[in-house]
Amino acid sequence: DSGVTQTPKHLITATGQRVTLRCSPRSEDLSVYWYQQSLDQGLQFLIHYYNGEKRAKGNILERFSAQQFPDLHSELNLSSLELGDSALYFCASSALPGTDTQYFGPGTRLTVL
Amino acid sequence: GNSVTQMEGPVTLSEEAFLTINCTYTATGYPSLFWYVQYPGEGLQLLLKATKADDKGSNKGFEATYRKETTSFHLEKGSVQVSDSAVYFCALKSTGSSYKLIFGSGTRLLVRP
Repeated sequence: DSGVTQTPKHLITATGQRVTLRCSPRSEDLSVYWYQQSLDQGLQFLIHYYNGEKRAKGNILERFSAQQFPDLHSELNLSSLELGDSALYFCASSALPGTDTQYFGPGTRLTVL
Repeated sequence: GNSVTQMEGPVTLSEEAFLTINCTYTATGYPSLFWYVQYPGEGLQLLLKATKADDKGSNKGFEATYRKETTSFHLEKGSVQVSDSAVYFCALKSTGSSYKLIFGSGTRLLVRP
């Protein structure tokens, strides 16, 4: 158990809908990262937050957004969902942005029908 | 840009066989290197890491040495077990401001009794 929690574990929804994925980092960690794992793209970095502020963006679509709250949990919002958004979404955390090790949560499997 | 290349799987071995999974990278500067493992239905777990040239990371019988001259970080284990069956990901941590992890495509290992 990494100490990073993600909810829900599974999510099934329809095209055009909007969903919110939640991540709670390890208690001592200030940085949260979101990654997407899909069959065609592999594991790709989406976005990084540190202590409530966005630090970096990766291959994140404009339909997707994220935020990190004062209690350091983070939410990833996916809107106008398309079939191709079906994937595993992972959250990871680390103590400081430059800290080497990122600890991953169990992921949320999103299925868009 | 930074990238990681892994040998394609699946790799099928008999129990107690020797394992090598090749990983090479392209990066500017001196990235940290990682191996993560994903067991069926689970998230990513850090297996081992190395932060500078000639460092050897090791854990649970797995080893990998950071070879700057060949830009490689091959994963090895002397005697695999059925329980090692999983997908293995090689990754590097960007030296840029995003601190994102860049992953290889993953190598599936299947160990037969």
